[in-house]
Order: sequence, then C-alpha cells, then structure tokens
Amino acid sequence: QVQLVQSGAEVKKPGSSVRVSCKASGGTLNNYALSWVRQAPGRGLEWMAGIVGIYGRADYAQKFQGRVTITGDESSNTVYMDLSSLTFDDTAVYFCAISHVDTVTGWFDPWGQGTLVAISS
Amino acid sequence: SYVLTQPPSVSVAPGQTARITCGGNNIGSKSVHWYQQKPGQAPVLVVYHDSDRPSGIPERFSGSNSGYTATLTISRVEAGDEADYYCQVWHSSADHPPYVFGTGTKVTVL
Repeated sequence: QVQLVQSGAEVKKPGSSVRVSCKASGGTLNNYALSWVRQAPGRGLEWMAGIVGIYGRADYAQKFQGRVTITGDESSNTVYMDLSSLTFDDTAVYFCAISHVDTVTGWFDPWGQGTLVAISS
Repeated sequence: SYVLTQPPSVSVAPGQTARITCGGNNIGSKSVHWYQQKPGQAPVLVVYHDSDRPSGIPERFSGSNSGYTATLTISRVEAGDEADYYCQVWHSSADHPPYVFGTGTKVTVL
C-alpha cells in the first residue's frame, strides 16, 4: 500500500508563493493519479488539481487556474504543488491523495497527513 | 453546479445506528464515496462505489444510494466513530471541478 508524506507547515505573506511536497513510499507515483485537496479552517473539502503519473497531464480547478501548478520528480518519487499570489483566503490545510479513477467515477485513498499553509502579514 | 447536501450534525448513543444522508440531484445515477475525518487528521475512505468497503474498514460501515439520497450507515456506533463524515461524487461539468464533496456531517456519540 502506497503511503504519502507531505512537507511541513508554512507561514507565508500575502502575494507570495508556496510549494508543498508529497512524497510516496511503497509504490511509484508514476503508476498513480494524484490530487490536491484543501480544507480551510472549520470548512469542508475542496479539490484543487490532479495529475496522472509523475509527468502526466495535470488538470486544475477553474478557481485556481493560473495560480496552481503541479509538477513531479521521478527520482525522489515526489509530487509538488505550487500556489502563487497567496491571499488570506488561501489559509488552509492542503492534502495530497491518490486518485482512483474508473470509467464513471473517482475517489481518494490514501491521503497524505496534510500541510498547514497560513497566510499572515 | 452540482451540490451535495448533508445534515450539519447527527447525534447517536453508543451501540445505536447512525445514518448520514447525502442529497444531490439524481445522485442515484452516480457512484458515491464516503470519508471519515477525525480532528487534526486526514480524511480516511470508509465506503466507495456506494457500498464497497476498503480493507480494514469494519463491517459496521455500510452505504446505499438511490434516487436523490445516498446514505452512510454506521451500526453499533462506538465512541471512536465520532468524526466528520463527507460524501463525494465525480461529476463532469464545465462550471466546477470534477470531484464534488458534500458539506460534511459531524457525528457526535452521546
């Protein structure tokens, strides 16, 4: 069973960028699809973006188009999520998760432990 | 846009049955997945494809889906089941992301 470990918490200023990493063990990320989901404090879950394989096609939620980029590094079995032009509304816990997709649906299992990104002036 | 509506909270006594609903337009035609999230932790998949359980998830967790409502049922509720629960579907549309989550339900064990 693949396991995902994310990078540590970040504090960023408005207007800056953040990079969150998601490293896999027990499996090769190039064989999986992976998504990023975020959760603002006290709020629900929100899908942001996904990628198929380390170097595959990335899809982004329209809300984040132009601000989020997903990249991967096969040598370290890691996927990165870059989010730019940060605002206070981007304060959230960011999760990576393996996406399982069939012809009609998709779900997430397992998840990384989450990375808190706090935006503070 | 496609909206999944859950009750904000459900309270249940230990040993009883908790039912968490997830309402959506013709949700019965979609495949519904459920996640459990305890405070400060990542979500955990408890049911997928309406009623399948991942390995390691107790049989006490079951799901159903028909018409306009999907339901997650937790039988013989234990204190450790206290958590937030989210439903999720895949819905292809040009005006929102393909993965849609419900609003979440907090289950309190009395």
